[in-house]
Amino acid sequence: ETGVTQSPTHLIKTRGQQVTLRCSSQSGHNTVSWYQQALGQGPQFIFQYYREEENGRGNFPPRFSGLQFPNYSSELNVNALELDDSALYLCASSFGPQETQYFGPGTRLTVL
Amino acid sequence: DAKTTQPPSMDCAEGRAANLPCNHSTISGNEYVYWYRQIHSQGPQYIIHGLKNNETNEMASLIITEDRKSSTLILPHATLRDTAVYYCIVDTAPDSGGYQKVTFGTGTKLQVIP
Repeated sequence: ETGVTQSPTHLIKTRGQQVTLRCSSQSGHNTVSWYQQALGQGPQFIFQYYREEENGRGNFPPRFSGLQFPNYSSELNVNALELDDSALYLCASSFGPQETQYFGPGTRLTVL
Repeated sequence: DAKTTQPPSMDCAEGRAANLPCNHSTISGNEYVYWYRQIHSQGPQYIIHGLKNNETNEMASLIITEDRKSSTLILPHATLRDTAVYYCIVDTAPDSGGYQKVTFGTGTKLQVIP
């Protein structure tokens, strides 16, 4: 059984660019949640995807968007990158929307 | 905002039990207590969760007070690899409808000392 995987591990972008981060859920899981973790802070919930639909959203602007695919993998897209978007982006998968979440290793995004 | 209060840091001698406290005085009847930990620069790792009964698994034990306003995570024999930030979280129960968004606070930084 493979765990949650994320790609890429590190990424450097410049302000105003767009970025796509990818997540493969753990085998058997149908729900993916995304989190942003700024340096020295706890992770903050961005949104959750269940059955290819956004199932809940935290306090993030619309330029943060996502997708979930039929195989339950997911993408996080961020448009018009800002310096404050520099963070560790974490993906977590679960058996369902209210079930225990298991996290991937994260993608470290740096915006210059 | 996080619904829990944890000490910012703790030390524990290697081989001893690490007892990490958490206050959650506003917990409601259908909310579970979850514990995760995060080793530096890695994704958070699920440890254990419970509603009102004490729970134990291969990683840790969770002791929840009878009034459910506080809990303690116990690592029975701490090792250097247990050095991490430990997050105590209260969240909605499975099957309660909606979705689970894990709301992290600032956690407790546990340092295991040789």
